[in-house]
Amino acid sequence: QSALTQPASVSGSPGQSITISCTGTSSDVGGYNYVSWYQQHPGKAPKLMIYDVSNRPSGVSNRFSGSKSGNTASLTISGLQAEDEADYYCSSYTSSSTPNVFGTGTKVTVL
Amino acid sequence: QVQLQESGPGLVKPSETLSLTCTVSGGSISSYYWSWIRQPAGKGLEWIGRIYTSGSTNYNPSLKSRVTMSVDTSKNQFSLKLSSVTAADTAVYYCARGGGEDPFDPWGQGTLVTVSS
Repeated sequence: QSALTQPASVSGSPGQSITISCTGTSSDVGGYNYVSWYQQHPGKAPKLMIYDVSNRPSGVSNRFSGSKSGNTASLTISGLQAEDEADYYCSSYTSSSTPNVFGTGTKVTVL
Repeated sequence: QVQLQESGPGLVKPSETLSLTCTVSGGSISSYYWSWIRQPAGKGLEWIGRIYTSGSTNYNPSLKSRVTMSVDTSKNQFSLKLSSVTAADTAVYYCARGGGEDPFDPWGQGTLVTVSS
């Protein structure tokens, strides 16, 4: 099972919006609405930001939103803030040999 | 709220078995999937496997021959054993609730395991 494809880096200025893509196949992202997104600051454990494509857990800012089109899921961060600078990973349920696959990860830089 | 804490040796010799335990507090371990995930320094996340509280398991095919997971509901703990380790198994190991259709949440703080003689 290959990792889902994410851009290595995305950057934006404070207040701007950015979008991170997560591309898979019809066996994972495209086939199920079980895509989740995780934020990881240096030296810290990942934190769930979005689940089931577009749902936000309690306590997560509404500046974070998720969507999906075909085999590609997306995470949008609006009103970018310095604290959003982190690595972001997507994950999907998959019907292949393993029930879970992660994305390659995206480093978000706030300029 | 549910919290997870990994524990185990931070240093393992090559060819030996890595053993970690995850203790769940603030809630019951029952009726959930529990996963192990690792992250080599500077690299991405790799799902190792999951276990249900019934003992049913799924493992990453790339590690399946070396991985064993178990659960002890009386202690609210689940465990990971990875045999025949090499330097490539050096990583931060996380435990998390979830796996499959369920998102990974929450996560433990992670524990660094170094494979070296």
